[in-house]
Amino acid sequence: SQKIEQNSEALNIQEGKTATLTCNYTNYSPAYLQWYRQDPGRGPVFLLLIRENEKEKRKERLKVTFDTTLKQSLFHITASQPADSATYLCALYNFNKFYFGSGTKLNVKP
Amino acid sequence: IAGITQAPTSQILAAGRRMTLRCTQDMRHNAMYWYRQDLGLGLRLIHYSNTAGTTGKGEVPDGYSVSRANTDDFPLTLASAVPSQTSVYFCASSGGGAYNEQFFGPGTRLTVL
Repeated sequence: SQKIEQNSEALNIQEGKTATLTCNYTNYSPAYLQWYRQDPGRGPVFLLLIRENEKEKRKERLKVTFDTTLKQSLFHITASQPADSATYLCALYNFNKFYFGSGTKLNVKP
Repeated sequence: IAGITQAPTSQILAAGRRMTLRCTQDMRHNAMYWYRQDLGLGLRLIHYSNTAGTTGKGEVPDGYSVSRANTDDFPLTLASAVPSQTSVYFCASSGGGAYNEQFFGPGTRLTVL
């Protein structure tokens, strides 16, 4: 089955810096990859989707890259703010099913 | 209703009891999903439905059943609950297909004693 790995250790950064989160996957190469944000006690919220033929996708302060050779996606938040503190999940889609990573917790300190 | 709702918000259940978690969406989405989220394991797919009248098994379907009688509702049933089913359960919906984002409900926190 598909396996997705995200850094389980929290990422602590200073406000204003760029946060970079990693998502690695094995087995099947997905047609696309999604990133979600999850706040404590709430369901995940969709942020961005990137297709296999796209190298990079941007939305405001967010940027996602997708390297199908490395089987890796990077998620960047530029000019980070304390309000960006949350857990970020990546998800792959294969054969009607979504597979999620366990998420990386981001702490942005003022 | 706006979006996707789940009920109950939380529940404590004795082992061996039957329990149905409810999920309703008003976005007319074709696809719906049930996940469980456990610390360190992330979200794992239990069952899914691509359209009303069809269902499929996810990564961890054992001990759970679902039905999809109409577009809006996708209940998840635990026929005989066990302590290992203690978890937070999320329902989600999407327009269907590979490129659609999922919309998640607020979750149900279930404790099986």
